[in-house]
Amino acid sequence: QVQLQESGPGLVKPSETLSLTCTVSGGSIRGYYWSWIRQPPGKGVEWIGYIYYTGSTNYNPSLKSRVTISVDTSKNQFSLKMKFVTAADTAVYYCARHLQFLDYWGQGTLVTVSS
Amino acid sequence: SYELTQPPSLSVSPGQTASITCSGDKLGDKDACWYQQKPGQSPVLVIYQDSKRPSGIPERFSGSNSGNTATLTISGTQAMDEADYYCQAWDSSTAIVFGTGTKVTVL
Repeated sequence: QVQLQESGPGLVKPSETLSLTCTVSGGSIRGYYWSWIRQPPGKGVEWIGYIYYTGSTNYNPSLKSRVTISVDTSKNQFSLKMKFVTAADTAVYYCARHLQFLDYWGQGTLVTVSS
Repeated sequence: SYELTQPPSLSVSPGQTASITCSGDKLGDKDACWYQQKPGQSPVLVIYQDSKRPSGIPERFSGSNSGNTATLTISGTQAMDEADYYCQAWDSSTAIVFGTGTKVTVL
């Protein structure tokens, strides 16, 4: 059974960079696409971007200028960096395995942007 | 940018049928799927590729997709089906887009 676990700071200051890592267990990161998704408190879900295990990426156009997703196949991990964050980036951040749909999700991690 | 629109809320009586719509331009030409999200939990895939059910999803969940509308149908709705539901589309140009979400209340 594939499992995903997000990790990273729960509090980030405005204008700084949000950094999260997703560790995949129970299966290889190779052969699949991997996505980041977020959900502001009380709101809907928003796709951030995905990465293929080879390193090719695709980002939500509304976030593309601030987001970088990378992969480390040796550690079975992929990561998210979002720069110049504001309070509007406060959300639960999920990682997920991506086919044309998202079949395995992490439990999510709340990231709060505040000074 | 591509957008998917869902009704904000839907109420259904136990045992009745709930139909949740998802509207988008030429959505029928794309692959649609549906997620169920209960409070404090991650979304769970309930329908993929328009009408397929993942292993473990009850048969009362079904889906269709044609024209500009995808529909998730819950037949014989149970109290445990009370949740938020999100549609999602994928194609090579739009990548992943989520719908606005529908809160289903069973009462």
